[in-house]
Formats: sequence, structure tokens, C-alpha cells
Amino acid sequence: EAGVTQFPSHSVIEKGQTVTLRCDPISGHDNLYWYRRVMGKEIKFLLHFVKESKQDESGMPNNRFLAERTGGTYSTLKVQPAELEDSGVYFCASSQLAGGENEQFFGPGTRLTVL
Amino acid sequence: QKEVEQNSGPLSVPEGAIASLNCTYSDRGSQSFFWYRQYSGKSPELIMFIYSNGDKEDGRFTAQLNKASQYVSLLIRDSQPSDSATYLCAVNQSNDYKLSFGAGTTVTVRA
Repeated sequence: EAGVTQFPSHSVIEKGQTVTLRCDPISGHDNLYWYRRVMGKEIKFLLHFVKESKQDESGMPNNRFLAERTGGTYSTLKVQPAELEDSGVYFCASSQLAGGENEQFFGPGTRLTVL
Repeated sequence: QKEVEQNSGPLSVPEGAIASLNCTYSDRGSQSFFWYRQYSGKSPELIMFIYSNGDKEDGRFTAQLNKASQYVSLLIRDSQPSDSATYLCAVNQSNDYKLSFGAGTTVTVRA
């Protein structure tokens, strides 16, 4: 079974540019999550999709971040315009809907560097 | 107060010894508890989960949960050099699916 995949693995952009990150969850997983880890900090939740619907986007830092999950399959996270503080590693995770036993499987992450 | 706190590392143990990792959490209503292992530059890999008070063993790993003390731990028995990694404690808060992570504890197993 293929795991969670993310693209690109690395992205280096200049402040003010736009970047789009992609996540393909494990097949059959309705739940998809975005997290990020900025330098020296713990991994922080950004948002949660159930199929194509945003269930919780309380962790999105501001309106420069836009996440979509068209058709309930893969998801994209767009940052526009990027700022220096957006640098970090963006992780995607997925899980099956199973009540409180919510085992989330993580992708390898996209390392974003904003110069 | 951080939602999830882990004992600060790095933790260095000799091969064959027991590595003990600790984690405390602030939300008393937390339901599910996870330990992830992350090798440098790789994705966090789920190695243990525990939902009920007590111990749960899986191979060389034992997770211990004490909800009254809001404490969860991970023991790695017979530590191997391949266990050298950062271990992340994650907590699923009540009525929620998002995970709250600790900062991680880096473990180094000396051959």
C-alpha cells in the first residue's frame, strides 16, 4: 500500500512569490490534515479535511494560506504571497475515519524556504 | 503552558539499554496518545498508540499511560543504533481529530 506522498520535497522561493504544495493521501483515507514545523518549534496543526470539506481550519495562520481538496482526493496548500516566516516543513497526514482511534500517517513533508 | 511537553534531550543510551521517554499533556479530556519516530529528514512514523490507562507492549516498545497524572511514556528495551531518532509525543484532544505535538526528544544509541 502506498503511503502519503507530497510534492515537491523542497521549494525555495522569494518573498512575495506564490507556492503550491501538493499532498496525495493514502487511498481510501477520508481524513486529510496539514501540519507544519517552523524552525525550532513543534509540529503544529493547520487544517483538516473530511473528504472535500474543510472540517477544521483553526490552525491556518492567516488568509495568505489557501487549502483545497477537490473531489476528496489529493489536496493542495497554496501560500500567496509568501513571507519569510512561512519557511518550514509542511507535512500532510491522512487517516481513516475511526472515532477517537485516529491514527494519522504522515508524508515526508515539503521543506519550504522563503528568501 | 504548552499543550504537550516532552523531557528535553538529547538522550544518549548505550546499545542494549532501556531508553525512557516522557510526555505530559495539559488537556485532561485528551483521549488518544501517539508516539512517532522521525529520522532526520524523513516523515514522522507512527510506532505506538495507546488509548487506555496502563501499559501497552509491542515488541521492544512499551507505552504507558496515566490519565490521572496526564502522563504518557515510551520505553525502548534493548536499544539498538537503529533506534537513534527523534521521538515525538502526540495527543488527540477530546472531540477533535487534530494532533498536538511535543517538541520531540532526540535519542542516540551508542554502539
